[in-house]
Amino acid sequence: KNQVEQSPQSLIILEGKNCTLQCNYTVSPFSNLRWYKQDTGRGPVSLTIMTFSENTKSNGRYTATLDADTKQSSLHITASQLSDSASYICVVSAGDYGQNFVFGPGTRLSVLP
Amino acid sequence: GAGVSQSPSNKVTEKGKDVELRCDPISGHTALYWYRQSLGQGLEFLIYFQGNSAPDKSGLPSDRFSAERTGGSVSTLTIQRTQQEDSAVYLCASSLRDAAGSNQPQHFGDGTRLSIL
Repeated sequence: KNQVEQSPQSLIILEGKNCTLQCNYTVSPFSNLRWYKQDTGRGPVSLTIMTFSENTKSNGRYTATLDADTKQSSLHITASQLSDSASYICVVSAGDYGQNFVFGPGTRLSVLP
Repeated sequence: GAGVSQSPSNKVTEKGKDVELRCDPISGHTALYWYRQSLGQGLEFLIYFQGNSAPDKSGLPSDRFSAERTGGSVSTLTIQRTQQEDSAVYLCASSLRDAAGSNQPQHFGDGTRLSIL
């Protein structure tokens, strides 16, 4: 069964600190892996999209990594800000057409002053 | 802005009533997706439209749920005879073309929060 797991379920850090969120997947076939940020009461917003051949991709203070061999991805947030408080969702595309997206449950990040 | 627009943003209705949720995708986007998000849960796929192709309805949980997309643009999701378990946030997303196998991002609306009393 195609599945995406994320850890931790929730995380609290102080403003200015770095953090890393984890995503493990068992999805086949694999097309690409995405990270989304979802603020409370809003829809998800795309942060990064990585294909099989990409190991890392950055978007400002967000850096995603992908190890297709171990089927793991991470999202690293540098110098966190209060506005980083949100849920971060890992999504894997299971195939090359249609609605073949497998969504993880998300990691809830809280950044405190 | 030119993002995905959903209406209403909130809907409270009594059990047994019918509801209609609307999604205006980004102009020119051929792919449109409906998802359901329950509290603390991941997104659950409902239905997918791509251009003029027949929609993929494989995610609809029961025959009380239906959706249409008129003129390749606006979409409405209809839930008949609502039940309390239908309470959730319903999210719509669009993409320039089929997103699954490409690097096209899905652009999400802010959702409709549906509460069934």
